[in-house]
Amino acid sequence: DTAVSQTPKYLVTQMGNDKSIKCEQNLGHDTMYWYKQDSKKFLKIMFSYNNKELIINETVPNRFSPKSPDKAHLNLHINSLELGDSAVYFCASSRMVGGATRNTIYFGEGSWLTVV
Amino acid sequence: GQSLEQPSEVTAVEGAIVQINCTYQTSGFYGLSWYQQHDGGAPTFLSYNALDGLEETGRFSSFLSRSDSYGYLLLQELQMKDSASYFCAVSPAGTALIFGKGTTLSVSS
Repeated sequence: DTAVSQTPKYLVTQMGNDKSIKCEQNLGHDTMYWYKQDSKKFLKIMFSYNNKELIINETVPNRFSPKSPDKAHLNLHINSLELGDSAVYFCASSRMVGGATRNTIYFGEGSWLTVV
Repeated sequence: GQSLEQPSEVTAVEGAIVQINCTYQTSGFYGLSWYQQHDGGAPTFLSYNALDGLEETGRFSSFLSRSDSYGYLLLQELQMKDSASYFCAVSPAGTALIFGKGTTLSVSS
């Protein structure tokens, strides 16, 4: 029943490792996002996909690579993890109406990434 | 670029009324949204203003003045469960929401 689900919820890993976070939405939305929330709670857009096409790619290290196999899934792969990557990563989705994103964005529960 | 300014913290007591202000500078504008986030939880949608004026949803209301690039979230009859972070957000290009840095509301008894 979960609208936007992401796994894993918690992830502790060592510097230099590669990890992935998976996200799925069952709302029928055509737009999906990855947001990063740091320790100061600042929510920053990383990527946005519309119908599997990348439409936003903010200034994010190229160690971060999103992949959207279909419009219901948007996964995030992170290479060579660094201490500064520790954060909460939120997947989200919304509808795009008339070329503009509806302002109601539905967030997943977040993935707590800790790099040690 | 775009920026949103909101107070970092607000404190109040149960039953009180609190107003959280948000001023924004953005190249494009598709409305002002408000989101609530409890500690350890996900942000959830509260309200959206596309046009000037007041939108009311139960104990919460949101106001927008596009000419002043300003909005606020009004929380009435505060309850302990309203203790959370509140974010204003805009969508400059209509493609994704850009969030303010959040206001932490602490409600005490």
